[in-house]
Amino acid sequence: TQLLEQSPQFLSIQEGENLTVYCNSSSVFSSLQWYRQEPGEGPVLLVTVVTGGEVKKLKRLTFQFGDARKDSSLHITAAQPGDTGLYLCAGAVRTSYDKVIFGPGTSLSVIP
Amino acid sequence: NAGVMQNPRHLVRRRGQEARLRCSPMKGHSHVYWYRQLPEEGLKFMVYLQKENIIDESGMPKERFSAEFPKEGPSILRIQQVVRGDSAAYFCASRSNEKLFFGSGTQLSVL
Repeated sequence: TQLLEQSPQFLSIQEGENLTVYCNSSSVFSSLQWYRQEPGEGPVLLVTVVTGGEVKKLKRLTFQFGDARKDSSLHITAAQPGDTGLYLCAGAVRTSYDKVIFGPGTSLSVIP
Repeated sequence: NAGVMQNPRHLVRRRGQEARLRCSPMKGHSHVYWYRQLPEEGLKFMVYLQKENIIDESGMPKERFSAEFPKEGPSILRIQQVVRGDSAAYFCASRSNEKLFFGSGTQLSVL
């Protein structure tokens, strides 16, 4: 059974601070994705990382996929209130199809 | 281009009633995932379907839950004889390349 863990579970920071969210597993994934979800809505894809060691940047967000493709991190620079939301990592396990499993999420609150 | 459409957005049922949740994937997508989410938690995989075929239902409870995706029309997640523990947000998603596109979900409340 593949499991994804995320830390921290909750994070409350002041506007302008930096933060890092972690996603870990003992399983290897063919790809890993990060989503952001707002209350009452479905998750929205932020990024997909495929290659071990890969780093992707999306404005103030930096995503890294671990060399062994078992873990990932999301770093946000100079957080803004608009970054508030639930951040979910999801791993794709290639079986007969790409089964996508989700971590429990990190709830981020950025205080103005 | 219409995204993934789910309806209803909110569904209230009394214990023992049936709940039917509908999902239409993005145009051209023939596979859907269903997930369940409790407050402040991640999404739990339930089932993966293609048209007229269930590929993986390993996340579905063995009783009262069923899913289908007919040749014509939306995918349906059906919950019979609902109990309070079924109260949750149910999301479906369709897939293109490495990307999952989610609907806005159905919030099921069982009284």
